[in-house]
Amino acid sequence: GNSVTQMEGPVTLSEEAFLTINCTYTATGYPSLFWYVQYPGEGLQLLLKATKADDKGSNKGFEATYRKETTSFHLEKGSVQVSDSAVYFCALGSAGRRALTFGSGTRLQVQP
Amino acid sequence: GAVVSQHPSWVICKSGTSVKIECRSLDFQATTMFWYRQFPKQSLMLMATSNEGSKATYEQGVEKDKFLINHASLTLSTLTVTSAHPEDSSFYICSASGELNTEAFFGQGTRLTVV
Repeated sequence: GNSVTQMEGPVTLSEEAFLTINCTYTATGYPSLFWYVQYPGEGLQLLLKATKADDKGSNKGFEATYRKETTSFHLEKGSVQVSDSAVYFCALGSAGRRALTFGSGTRLQVQP
Repeated sequence: GAVVSQHPSWVICKSGTSVKIECRSLDFQATTMFWYRQFPKQSLMLMATSNEGSKATYEQGVEKDKFLINHASLTLSTLTVTSAHPEDSSFYICSASGELNTEAFFGQGTRLTVV
């Protein structure tokens, strides 16, 4: 079956540091890949997505590239801000199925 | 993006009582809603999928008599945890999708604590 593995947190960085949150997946076929963000007290928000191999999703300075050869979808940002502090979830969706398989989430804490 | 509201955001109940959690789509018609559960430091696990006007489809291992799901309208789905026990304490989150949506939108989640 499908599964998603992402690095455990919390990840603590100083403002303007480079961020990488690793995510690898196991799936049959050609899934879509997602990163969601959850700010304190709020619901999950879609941050970015990629629907096929070599696609790069990007939003708000965050990027992730769908790497089929390494089954990875690592999240990166060149310069984090305090406002980026949140929990980040990597997820995959099989074609035609809008329910998602999630990773365990990674808490990011950015210090001023 | 579309807005999904989940209520309550947290609830504490006594063992043996039932708790109802509501999930509403505020600005679109949700033909499909999904209910997830998250244990501490673990993934969100899909519990069930409900389509408006029909019975929910439960994932393997989820007790349908324990977790009652109703999706009677295009803007509301409810999850009722019946005869709750401490092991039911968890974070429950819903997502909703309309016919024209290629993605699902999430509520803010409900933290249930059974004492």
